[in-house]
Amino acid sequence: DGGITQSPKYLFRKEGQNVTLSCEQNLNHDAMYWYRQDPGQGLRLIYYSQIVNDFQKGDIAEGYSVSREKKESFPLTVTSAQKNPTAFYLCASRETGIHNQPQHFGDGTRLSIL
Amino acid sequence: AQTVTQSQPEMSVQEAETVTLSCTYDTSESDYYLFWYKQPPSRQMILVIRQEAYKQQNATENRFSVNFQKAAKSFSLKISDSQLGDAAMYFCAYRSNFGNEKLTFGTGTRLTIIP
Repeated sequence: DGGITQSPKYLFRKEGQNVTLSCEQNLNHDAMYWYRQDPGQGLRLIYYSQIVNDFQKGDIAEGYSVSREKKESFPLTVTSAQKNPTAFYLCASRETGIHNQPQHFGDGTRLSIL
Repeated sequence: AQTVTQSQPEMSVQEAETVTLSCTYDTSESDYYLFWYKQPPSRQMILVIRQEAYKQQNATENRFSVNFQKAAKSFSLKISDSQLGDAAMYFCAYRSNFGNEKLTFGTGTRLTIIP
């Protein structure tokens, strides 16, 4: 089945530690996105990539980094510079060749601080 | 910058009844898309319905329909014959047809279905 796989489902970070959230898609989508969800708020865009080896900052990129070395993979690293990383993280992808296609989402990763 | 406002943090409806969730947005663009996503307790984001701004006809997907008022920048979701499985957070989202085509979300409405 085609879809987006995020791992792990739950992740714990110690103070001063970098952690990486995985996002893999087998939908052959060009564009991929990372969103952060906090209680009582909608999703906010962290980073996005519209093509391999290219990515741009979203609205809340500080303290995060990404890479896009392969079309199917878009990992997100939460660095120690992100002072409030506890949140639910959602990865999404979209086929850009067809204009009205929506974003498809993974099941998310919940990140907590130890 | 575009903004999306959902003014109803919580709504409830009796099973089998109809409920309408409100959404307004602010944009200076004329070409865009609007979406309603459902997020059940599993936290998965599920597309419910989409509307293309240049289409005057309101979108419909089975029991779900929208009332799209472009001049008023309003995009409400109507759920008919509500079912227990409809209980979830509902998010309204805007997407421009220009630039990065990111989604801008509202803060969500929690819908409770009363048996």
